[in-house]
Amino acid sequence: SAVISQKPSRDICQRGTSLTIQCQVDSQVTMMFWYRQQPGQSLTLIATANQGSEATYESGFVIDKFPISRPNLTFSTLTVSNMSPEDSSIYLCSVIRDYYNEQFFGPGTRLTVL
Amino acid sequence: AQKVTQAQTEISVVEKEDVTLDCVYETRDTTYYLFWYKQPPSGELVFLIRRNSFDEQNEISGRYSWNFQKSTSSFNFTITASQVVDSAVYFCALSSKTGANNLFFGTGTRLTVIP
Repeated sequence: SAVISQKPSRDICQRGTSLTIQCQVDSQVTMMFWYRQQPGQSLTLIATANQGSEATYESGFVIDKFPISRPNLTFSTLTVSNMSPEDSSIYLCSVIRDYYNEQFFGPGTRLTVL
Repeated sequence: AQKVTQAQTEISVVEKEDVTLDCVYETRDTTYYLFWYKQPPSGELVFLIRRNSFDEQNEISGRYSWNFQKSTSSFNFTITASQVVDSAVYFCALSSKTGANNLFFGTGTRLTVIP
């Protein structure tokens, strides 16, 4: 498995502001992803964080709203920009260490937008 | 297109009962992976199992067992002698590309084990 930490663990933000979430892994990983879990819902992939290049976004998610960085093989950030109450969700970072496709999740960041 | 269906939204069982969580998937790929995750009230997603499409052997891990049947596109999860600590939301997920890719999650089944 992989030890994954996320900061912050939770936050309450005002409408119109932005929040950057950090994801740190204890060792180098092949792939990193960002997911969103809206209240009472399942998980939806936002994007694949690519090391050294622009993230690959899924349908319905755009870079202006969810800019992502991945400067190295152990760290990534997700920014939720110009937040609205609809952005209130749990945001989870996940990683794949090798190509056996076992994907491990961080503890999540619980975001509430007022 | 990939799709995972967990028809059971919520299940309640009394402690020590056995319970089976259903998962039906759809994919056009011949190589794919199936997963089960547990999400306890704390919110963290706990990896339980990964199965690839070429391995239909059932697996048992303690009180947990999984039944993978390609003929019915199902990957069901059984908890034997359930315990209160098993109370959680359980997600089935599908990944259809080799070399690792995103997971398509089902909507989850909330299991409540009553003491």
